[in-house]
Amino acid sequence: KAGVTQTPRYLIKTRGQQVTLSCSPISGHRSVSWYQQTPGQGLQFLFEYFSETQRNKGNFPGRFSGRQFSNSRSEMNVSTLELGDSALYLCASSSDVNSGTEAFFGQGTRLTVV
Amino acid sequence: AQTVTQSQPEMSVQEAETVTLSCTYDTSESDYYLFWYKQPPSRQMILVIRQEAYKQQNATENRFSVNFQKAAKSFSLKISDSQLGDAAMYFCAYRSARSGNQFYFGTGTSLTVIP
Repeated sequence: KAGVTQTPRYLIKTRGQQVTLSCSPISGHRSVSWYQQTPGQGLQFLFEYFSETQRNKGNFPGRFSGRQFSNSRSEMNVSTLELGDSALYLCASSSDVNSGTEAFFGQGTRLTVV
Repeated sequence: AQTVTQSQPEMSVQEAETVTLSCTYDTSESDYYLFWYKQPPSRQMILVIRQEAYKQQNATENRFSVNFQKAAKSFSLKISDSQLGDAAMYFCAYRSARSGNQFYFGTGTSLTVIP
């Protein structure tokens, strides 16, 4: 079974630009969550999608948005990039058979804003 | 909001020895799940062990075990017979039984294994 796939692995963008990151969950998983990881703030929850609907949302500005497609693949978009958006963005998928299931993480996308 | 605290930013252990990583959490909920994840330099988060709050018995997975103290809201990870491959960042995580797949993570403990 293939794991969680995130693309691209590395990205360099200029301040003010926008960026789209992609996440393909494990086959059969309907829940996809996104996290931002920085040295200063640690791992912070961005949002979760389940069956194409946003189920939970973290405390991030509206510049951060996401969506999920019918095949459970998810994208997150960051508009008007700021230097502080430089981070490792992790995607996690879960089967959601019950809420105690673990989350399987991708290797992340390293975003650098210059 | 739930908070997870890891008070040890860095720990080291001699190969083959035992080390315990600490984690405390704060919640008003009674039904939840706790996890320890490992993040090696490759950056991929890997599940180490999981504990259901309703279970009194501490979870174990081979060389990894937890000491779950629900009343004290404490969830420590014990690694026995430490191996070089155990070197990584370890994150304690909390997940409510009612909030889907939203995890709250601690700040992590960087574990060094000394040969």
